[in-house]
Amino acid sequence: AQSVTQPDIHITVSEGASLELRCNYSYGATPYLFWYVQSPGQGLQLLLKYFSGDTLVQGIKGFEAEFKRSQSSFNLRKPSVHWSDAAEYFCAVGEGTGGFKTIFGAGTRLFVKA
Amino acid sequence: GAGVSQSPSNKVTEKGKDVELRCDPISGHTALYWYRQSLGQGLEFLIYFQGNSAPDKSGLPSDRFSAERTGGSVSTLTIQRTQQEDSAVYLCASSVSRGYQETQYFGPGTRLLVL
Repeated sequence: AQSVTQPDIHITVSEGASLELRCNYSYGATPYLFWYVQSPGQGLQLLLKYFSGDTLVQGIKGFEAEFKRSQSSFNLRKPSVHWSDAAEYFCAVGEGTGGFKTIFGAGTRLFVKA
Repeated sequence: GAGVSQSPSNKVTEKGKDVELRCDPISGHTALYWYRQSLGQGLEFLIYFQGNSAPDKSGLPSDRFSAERTGGSVSTLTIQRTQQEDSAVYLCASSVSRGYQETQYFGPGTRLLVL
């Protein structure tokens, strides 16, 4: 069965520092991979997605993620974090044709300190 | 352009009662998804509708859960004989069509509390 692991329950970074959120997946074929963000009181928003092509994917809000098949990883990065990035981040794998059935990781809560 | 809307925003019910949760997708979106977000289970896929095709119900946790989509637009998620473990935020999303190519847009959710 497909699964997604986000090993860090929460992470704290200083504003302006770089960020990397880890995600590992278990999937038999080439996966559909996603990162979502959920801000307090807000709905889920898609940051970026990957299925094929360039393994470095650019998303919204200055985020990027890199697919590494050998490590079964899809880590999310941002070079300089802003206070408004404080939120919960979910990595996900998509099953089914087109990846419509989403399996989410447990999430990583990001705290940003001044 | 309105986004995905859900009603009610909050619902408190007694154990054993039935509840109906409503989702209004973005106009023109043919694909509609329901998810559940709970403290114990995190985010879970429940059901997926694509146009007039039979829905994918593989994520529904029990036969107490059902969903329909009328006229290819509004969807209702029904939970019969609610249990305390059904307490969660129920999220709806829609996309232009199915799959990877299309971005899902999520509604604000319905927070369900079963007493």
